[in-house]
Amino acid sequence: DVKVTQSSRYLVKRTGEKVFLECVQDMDHENMFWYRQDPGLGLRLIYFSYDVKMKEKGDIPEGYSVSREKKERFSLILESASTNQTSMYLCASSLRLRGQFFGPGTRLTVL
Amino acid sequence: GENVEQHPSTLSVQEGDSAVIKCTYSDSASNYFPWYKQELGKGPQLIIDIRSNVGEKKDQRIAVTLNKTAKHFSLHITETQPEDSAVYFCAASIIQNNNDMRFGAGTRLTVKP
Repeated sequence: DVKVTQSSRYLVKRTGEKVFLECVQDMDHENMFWYRQDPGLGLRLIYFSYDVKMKEKGDIPEGYSVSREKKERFSLILESASTNQTSMYLCASSLRLRGQFFGPGTRLTVL
Repeated sequence: GENVEQHPSTLSVQEGDSAVIKCTYSDSASNYFPWYKQELGKGPQLIIDIRSNVGEKKDQRIAVTLNKTAKHFSLHITETQPEDSAVYFCAASIIQNNNDMRFGAGTRLTVKP
């Protein structure tokens, strides 16, 4: 089975802190994605990557950056966390031309 | 870009009844349509998908139908069970575009025992 793991299930940070969310997949998938999920808004794409060191902006990249130094790992970075970034963050991975597999999510609260 | 609308937002059925969730999409170039089930506290799980060269696909109690002309697709769950209770998301993408996917807003399905 595909396994996508995220470094934390719950995270509480203060406004202005730098936050790192880590995602690792074990199936040699080319594509990796970061979404945020908010009530009534569904899943919104923040960034995705289709290869090591490659990244593409999604629909809501403002306030976020990403890093993909190794194929299995995709990191989401909040340079200076703000309260409006309180959300559920979901990482996903996929092979080219296949469906996406999601991790369990990280619920981030910014105080 | 692609826009996916999903209805209803909530659905309550009696155990053993069928449930149907409908989605429409806007981009006629979309050719891949997955459905995800998200249980409380978990990430979405891919439960079934369909490509545009197929009109219907079944997997045990779940089935998906696709009408390319009308640009809509539906999830059908038969003989519902309490463990089917979850939020279901539809999605659409052009699968050649590195899987850039657009999701519906979700349907909260409750199956009453």
